[in-house]
Amino acid sequence: SQTIHQWPATLVQPVGSPLSLECTVEGTSNPNLYWYRQAAGRGLQLLFYSVGIGQISSEVPQNLSASRPQDRQFILSSKKLLLSDSGFYLCASRVQETQYFGPGTRLLVL
Amino acid sequence: GQNIDQPTEMTATEGAIVQINCTYQTSGFNGLFWYQQHAGEAPTFLSYNVLDGLEEKGRFSSFLSRSKGYSYLLLKELQMKDSASYLCAVRDNTGGFKTIFGAGTRLFVKA
Repeated sequence: SQTIHQWPATLVQPVGSPLSLECTVEGTSNPNLYWYRQAAGRGLQLLFYSVGIGQISSEVPQNLSASRPQDRQFILSSKKLLLSDSGFYLCASRVQETQYFGPGTRLLVL
Repeated sequence: GQNIDQPTEMTATEGAIVQINCTYQTSGFNGLFWYQQHAGEAPTFLSYNVLDGLEEKGRFSSFLSRSKGYSYLLLKELQMKDSASYLCAVRDNTGGFKTIFGAGTRLFVKA
């Protein structure tokens, strides 16, 4: 089984400030890891996925970046937040055929 | 590319049965998932179909027809706690086995 930790749970940041969201995974080694964003009332948008340490694939052009410094650590970052970066950020890990999600970070950019 | 369509909202009565449909288009189909998401929470896994047919799990069942690009989630004996969004998602084996999510169907269960 997998346990996914995300922090913080809620974050309010001013426009132009930096961002760092962290996700750690307990359980299976070398998991596939994913970052999703969900705008209010909308579906999940895949932002990044990683199949191993240092391997990041970006799905959409944006001012966000991701890094995977350790096997079970996935970080989402931004140098300068935009208003449009507000949303619910979810980290996910794939176990066999199924994705499991962390509790999410709700980000509000003002 | 990929495209997933499902109704935006549905309303049903406690104790009834409801069917939530999902149609999809993808170039490298590798499985279809249904997730439940309560407001403000992360999605939780409900079901996985990779072959045609019906998969039953308690009050929830999921059906897949690959030739039609169609799935449905069937919820029986509805309870108030079933009020949530239900996300249809398709796994694509092109470019890294990504899972693409639909926008979700918000289900309201009324007494």
